Amino acid sequence: GEDVEQSLFLSVREGDSSVINCTYTDSSSTYLYWYKQEPGAGLQLLTYIFSNMDMKQDQRLTVLLNKKDKHLSLRIADTQTGDSAIYFCAENPNTGFQKLVFGTGTRLLVSP
Amino acid sequence: DGGITQSPKYLFRKEGQNVTLSCEQNLNHDAMYWYRQDPGQGLRLIYYSQIVNDFQKGDIAEGYSVSREKKESFPLTVTSAQKNPTAFYLCASSVRLQETQYFGPGTRLLVL
Repeated sequence: GEDVEQSLFLSVREGDSSVINCTYTDSSSTYLYWYKQEPGAGLQLLTYIFSNMDMKQDQRLTVLLNKKDKHLSLRIADTQTGDSAIYFCAENPNTGFQKLVFGTGTRLLVSP
Repeated sequence: DGGITQSPKYLFRKEGQNVTLSCEQNLNHDAMYWYRQDPGQGLRLIYYSQIVNDFQKGDIAEGYSVSREKKESFPLTVTSAQKNPTAFYLCASSVRLQETQYFGPGTRLLVL
């Protein structure tokens, strides 16, 4: 079945690294995504990783994919107060109706 | 500047009234989507369209209707049959179904 799980809340201090975790259940997913939602705004695509990759780095963002455990993580280095937002992971299953399935989102709070 | 626009930013609905939310994209995307987001929750798919003059129900279509007469436009009508319409509504589009989705800024619907 399709079910994407995330922890609800993460709090870090400015300058620390943040790690947001996500588990998914559809091993046929071809792409996995991270979106960022600031208060009152739409979702902004942050990054994505193809399922045949283990890691992708983009400036302060590092995505790790463990296909065996169906685990996806997003690491934000040197977290800033502007990184405070809700982060959604999403998978792109290759079965059934091929729509994105979103997690419930992790609210990241960065304190000075 | 390519992107997705949604209007209005805020919308108020009276009891028994139908209201229409606008979504326009100039990205030349074939597929468009409507999601509903309730506080502290993830996204739920209302309707999607993979091509002009075609649309399909998502997970929570009851009380909503859509049309897709033009590639650029995918308006959502919240009918009086939707008893709990207060939510944040997000429109998205992608080149094709299953591909990366890009989101508009959202419309917040409130009931008077």
